[in-house]
Amino acid sequence: AQTVTQSQPEMSVQEAETVTLSCTYDTSESNYYLFWYKQPPSRQMILVIRQEAYKQQNATENRFSVNFQKAAKSFSLKISDSQLGDTAMYFCAFRSGGGADGLTFGKGTHLIIQP
Amino acid sequence: DARVTQTPRDKVTEMGQEVTMRCQPILGHNTVFWYRQTMMQGLELLAYFRNRAPLDDSGMPKDRFSAEMPDATLATLKIQPSEPRDSAVYFCASGLWGGGYTFGSGTRLTVV
Repeated sequence: AQTVTQSQPEMSVQEAETVTLSCTYDTSESNYYLFWYKQPPSRQMILVIRQEAYKQQNATENRFSVNFQKAAKSFSLKISDSQLGDTAMYFCAFRSGGGADGLTFGKGTHLIIQP
Repeated sequence: DARVTQTPRDKVTEMGQEVTMRCQPILGHNTVFWYRQTMMQGLELLAYFRNRAPLDDSGMPKDRFSAEMPDATLATLKIQPSEPRDSAVYFCASGLWGGGYTFGSGTRLTVV
């Protein structure tokens, strides 16, 4: 079974700084998908960014980008020019490329953006 | 933007009562999931459907939980009888094969 580990329970940075959230995973598969979800206090789970394992290019969505290191099984999220609205829980998730469709989530990182 | 709609948003019930949570997936999405979120366990997959057929419910306590998808616009999760340990936020999510999944706002269940 796959596991997803987020080693930072909580992080705090100043507004406008850049912050990197860590995620590692364990799998024997070669084809899979990785995701970052954001959960603000409203509790809505919002898809931030998605990466296919077969793509070497790191995904980018505006201020959000990932550093995908397949050999190291690492998938970190970088948030540039952080904003107060980025304060939330961030979850890293894994999905198999074949067979099971469900997402396996990490325990999450609580990110606090200070004014 | 298209949304996954869950009802009710919050539910408080007494132990032993039946609870039904409903989900309207995004039109055209062929895969629907039920997740449970607790502080201790985090996000756990309970069950999921593809094209309305149940594919995996191994994460669900079989004796008291049931999940159904009577039509393409409705998924339900029932707990009977409910217990205090069932208190959690229950999320529904929908998506297409190979894509990201869209989550609803969840149902916060409190069993007293």
